Amino acid sequence: EVQVVESGGGLVQPGGSLRLSCTVSGFTFSNHLMAWVRQAPGKGLEWVAYIGQDENEKYHVDSVKGRFTISRDNAKSSLYLQMNSLRAEDTAIYYCARVQIAEIELLVYAIRRIPYFDYWGQGTLVTVSS
Amino acid sequence: DLQMTQSPSSLSASVGDRITITCRASQIISGYLNWYQKKPGKAPRLLIYAASSLASGVPPRFSGSGSRTNFTLTISSLQPEDFATYYCLQTYHTYMWTFGQGTKVEVE
Repeated sequence: EVQVVESGGGLVQPGGSLRLSCTVSGFTFSNHLMAWVRQAPGKGLEWVAYIGQDENEKYHVDSVKGRFTISRDNAKSSLYLQMNSLRAEDTAIYYCARVQIAEIELLVYAIRRIPYFDYWGQGTLVTVSS
Repeated sequence: DLQMTQSPSSLSASVGDRITITCRASQIISGYLNWYQKKPGKAPRLLIYAASSLASGVPPRFSGSGSRTNFTLTISSLQPEDFATYYCLQTYHTYMWTFGQGTKVEVE
């Protein structure tokens, strides 16, 4: 059974730092891209960042670039989000999600690889307030 | 920047109704479009991936269609447990993935 569990959320002052962790089980962690998604109070879902299988690629949404860094430790089956220079608008529930790739055959020898989030944790709440 | 426009932002419906939610991309994203259901206090749930593939365990009353820039999520016969907020997600660009603004489905 796939399990995804986030931790590390809490109350932090503006300008402060926090490190979120996500521990997974039930699948081979190193075989999957992983991602963070957040939802601010009363708002919609927002993709925050994703990371390749061996940290070879990392991408962050523009609003967190230079402040947040996604990383992973395959030996520990763990994903991280280091959040620095936190702002009130970063207040949200942060979800860890596994990325799956759908391989859609278009033509002979032509395959489209489409990422999507298939398993999610229950989220961890980050509150940025003085 | 690639924008995802979801409509309507909310709708009222009754059990048994057929409903359709639309997601429009500001540029061609081919089939790189997925659909999620979100309920308060719960993690998002995958419904449809790659525009039209039904996720494992999802009832067949849910279906997705579309290509290029226009996509739809249809619930053929709304059930009580389907009242929730629905989001589309594009994963076309390697460096930026984007959710739609969401569609809240409420009891009429």
